[in-house]
Amino acid sequence: AQKITQTQPGMFVQEKEAVTLDCTYDTSDQSYGLFWYKQPSSGEMIFLIYQGSYDEQNATEGRYSLNFQKARKSANLVISASQLGDSAMYFCAMRYYRDDKIIFGKGTRLHILP
Amino acid sequence: EAQVTQNPRYLITVTGKKLTVTCSQNMNHEYMSWYRQDPGLGLRQIYYSMNVEVTDKGDVPEGYKVSRKEKRNFPLILESPSPNQTSLYFCASSRISPGYEQYFGPGTRLTVT
Repeated sequence: AQKITQTQPGMFVQEKEAVTLDCTYDTSDQSYGLFWYKQPSSGEMIFLIYQGSYDEQNATEGRYSLNFQKARKSANLVISASQLGDSAMYFCAMRYYRDDKIIFGKGTRLHILP
Repeated sequence: EAQVTQNPRYLITVTGKKLTVTCSQNMNHEYMSWYRQDPGLGLRQIYYSMNVEVTDKGDVPEGYKVSRKEKRNFPLILESPSPNQTSLYFCASSRISPGYEQYFGPGTRLTVT
């Protein structure tokens, strides 16, 4: 079965440090898109970053970057210079180009310590 | 303001009483989707739609129905709710191309007793 694994249920990081949130996926498809979303304690879902499976460059959006290693089937989110407002649940997701289904990982709860 | 709206935001109901959760978007998006979020399980796709009159099953469609009669609306129907459908439900929309992010509604907290 196709799935996404986020191996870190929870993480504690000191403010201003860089953070890497792990995401690995299992698929035989070659065409797909990878997304990261943030869910603060208020509950809304916020899009952070996208990487297409054929993109050669790793995606970056401000303090967010995606470390994409296609051969290893990993799409780790890197947050540089973490801030207290980064404390939230983070979800990795994949959309299959073949049938447009979307699957999510179980999430990683990130706590930024002052 | 571009947004996805869901109603109701909170609902407590009893087993077997049919209910509908509405979802509407004002961004002219083709792709719409419903998810349920349960602790420790992340988000799981229930149904999705690529356009009007086109719907497909996600990973957990059992016990749910959807319809897409208009592009902007994508209601979720529980014809006979059961306690195991107690969950937080999100509606989302995006452009049809797979490279675009989803915009999520605020969520509907459903409790079935």
